[in-house]
Amino acid sequence: QVQLQESGPGLVKPSQTLSLTCTVSGGSISSGSYYWSWIRQPAGKGLEWIGRIYTSESTNYNPSLKSRVTISVDTSKNQFSLKLSSVTAADTAVYYCATEGSGFDYWGQGTLVTVSS
Amino acid sequence: NFMLTQPHSVSESPGKTVTISCTRSSGSIASNYVQWYQQRPGSSPTTVIYEDNQRPSGVPDRFSGSIDSSSNSASLTISGLKTEDEADYYCQSYDSSNYVVFGGGTKLTVL
Repeated sequence: QVQLQESGPGLVKPSQTLSLTCTVSGGSISSGSYYWSWIRQPAGKGLEWIGRIYTSESTNYNPSLKSRVTISVDTSKNQFSLKLSSVTAADTAVYYCATEGSGFDYWGQGTLVTVSS
Repeated sequence: NFMLTQPHSVSESPGKTVTISCTRSSGSIASNYVQWYQQRPGSSPTTVIYEDNQRPSGVPDRFSGSIDSSSNSASLTISGLKTEDEADYYCQSYDSSNYVVFGGGTKLTVL
């Protein structure tokens, strides 16, 4: 069974870049079995898809965030990462990494990122 | 792009049956698979229905999914309601570019 664990700073200053990593265990990120996705959820609100990576060359991003998002993969560490630039308070949320096969099969526990000075 | 619209909240008594709708604003609901996720407070979402009407292993058969082209909507039906079913439920589908679209979520209260 695939397990996912998000990690990264819990506090980011406005205008800076949010960086998170998702460590995958129980499966190989290079297996081709899944897309590897990031999803976020502001407190008390719904889910928002951020984007996905399939191979190191194949990414898709939510059009509303595309100009600020980069998702990359490190197969040697079995990790994939999220960078979100020029953050504002509106980017404060719980960030989840997830596998995507038939929908989102496995989710990390989520990590709260607060944007504040 | 399209939106998936869900009722903000629904409530029902234990043992009863409840149905949560998810209406697609444009394009056919049948064009792309619909998934349903359950999210209990403080927890990550988990899949209760995938590919319109398929249940992952471990999900009770009290949960079922369907789509209705006439209303352009998907539905999640939970029968024999239990207090443990109280949670937020989200529908999810894809657009023509395979981008992900989530519904706004429905809070289910079992009272």
